Amino acid sequence: GQQLNQSPQSMFIQEGEDVSMNCTSSSIFNTWLWYKQDPGEGPVLLIALYKAGELTSNGRLTAQFGITRKDSFLNISASIPSDVGIYFCAGLNYGGSQGNLIFGKGTKLSVKP
Amino acid sequence: NAGVTQTPKFQVLKTGQSMTLQCAQDMNHEYMSWYRQDPGMGLRLIHYSVGAGITDQGEVPNGYNVSRSTTEDFPLRLLSAAPSQTSVYFCASTSGSRLTQYFGPGTRLTVL
Repeated sequence: GQQLNQSPQSMFIQEGEDVSMNCTSSSIFNTWLWYKQDPGEGPVLLIALYKAGELTSNGRLTAQFGITRKDSFLNISASIPSDVGIYFCAGLNYGGSQGNLIFGKGTKLSVKP
Repeated sequence: NAGVTQTPKFQVLKTGQSMTLQCAQDMNHEYMSWYRQDPGMGLRLIHYSVGAGITDQGEVPNGYNVSRSTTEDFPLRLLSAAPSQTSVYFCASTSGSRLTQYFGPGTRLTVL
């Protein structure tokens, strides 16, 4: 089945640092969603993107829908301790059934020891 | 608005037992889905429904049944639990107009 390649798999952050992560696919998507999951909780939607080239912000978070429709980026500026968690990208196949998103395997953010 | 609710939050089963995981949403969404989440595997689609009375299989449907008699409810049934079904199960519902998916808090299932 189709897969998303999400990178990095994990990263350590220090408070105040900017963070970047991305997802790539061999196929086109017409919707990209970014989620954050805290331990023991369900994923929570952060940002939704619906058009190629779209750049959308939610507070310190900014996400972009790649022009080729095959990638998306999430940036977190001036990270804080509560940014720790697992971030998932999800894409919807062009022409696919609504609600059937393809998920990346996640980027785990941890605090530098 | 409670969003998406799931019960139970935790469950332990013995191999061969059956059970139903409950999911309900109060957002009047037509589309609902069940995923399982395993370490290092991300979220994988089990079954989905595009409306009351209509269901279809996802990526990993074996060992699970679903039904959708109402818009609000989408239960997931394990017919004969196996240790391979130990996982965290998430229900989700999708806003049809904007293709935005909302997740429930999850059910943590252990099969011994």
